[in-house]
Amino acid sequence: SQELEQSPQSLIVQEGKNLTINCTSSKTLYGLYWYKQKYGEGLIFLMMLQKGGEEKSHEKITAKLDEKKQQSSLHITASQPSHAGIYLCGAVRIQGAQKLVFGQGTRLTINP
Amino acid sequence: NAGVMQNPRHLVRRRGQEARLRCSPMKGHSHVYWYRQLPEEGLKFMVYLQKENIIDESGMPKERFSAEFPKEGPSILRIQQVVRGDSAAYFCASSPLSSSGRATEQYFGPGTRLTVT
Repeated sequence: SQELEQSPQSLIVQEGKNLTINCTSSKTLYGLYWYKQKYGEGLIFLMMLQKGGEEKSHEKITAKLDEKKQQSSLHITASQPSHAGIYLCGAVRIQGAQKLVFGQGTRLTINP
Repeated sequence: NAGVMQNPRHLVRRRGQEARLRCSPMKGHSHVYWYRQLPEEGLKFMVYLQKENIIDESGMPKERFSAEFPKEGPSILRIQQVVRGDSAAYFCASSPLSSSGRATEQYFGPGTRLTVT
């Protein structure tokens, strides 16, 4: 079983629509990272969250870490073709550790 | 400000050969991580290094794989006697030193795609 569960696994939205991707853990998270990966390429760092209730935004992307630090959501407002790709959540699950465990990814397609 | 650099980007090896993958961290970063992404699988942690030290190698296969991060030069992930199952994308990430012991941002390189024929 996955240590981090992402939902949905794939998502197709019309350009201009809003969307949300979720990342859920059965254990407390000590750092939650969101990355974007284009097929065949590296991971682009989006945001990192550490505190329960924390919320960060960059351009049209907002990420939140819930109060109990076991779930995060990534919200994209007014989606654009450039948002297409695979979104990965990664997490530190042991306090003081640095290694990340990853979800299986969410494949986002934007239809014009 | 250059990001994390990896080379080669693509590497083809025959079974039984050795593969050497290099990673240069971002300027000012002293921590390096290696991850592997197998076809149709997620990204898995392999090893975490600081200069001249292996901090956590809990994700490294017990045989044929080794990693180093020397005082000078890039970090090297070495795979001896490669087999077809080693074919994967290998990613390196780096992060700055954490003074508080808390997790810090990890930036990834473009990856090395290893194909074993």
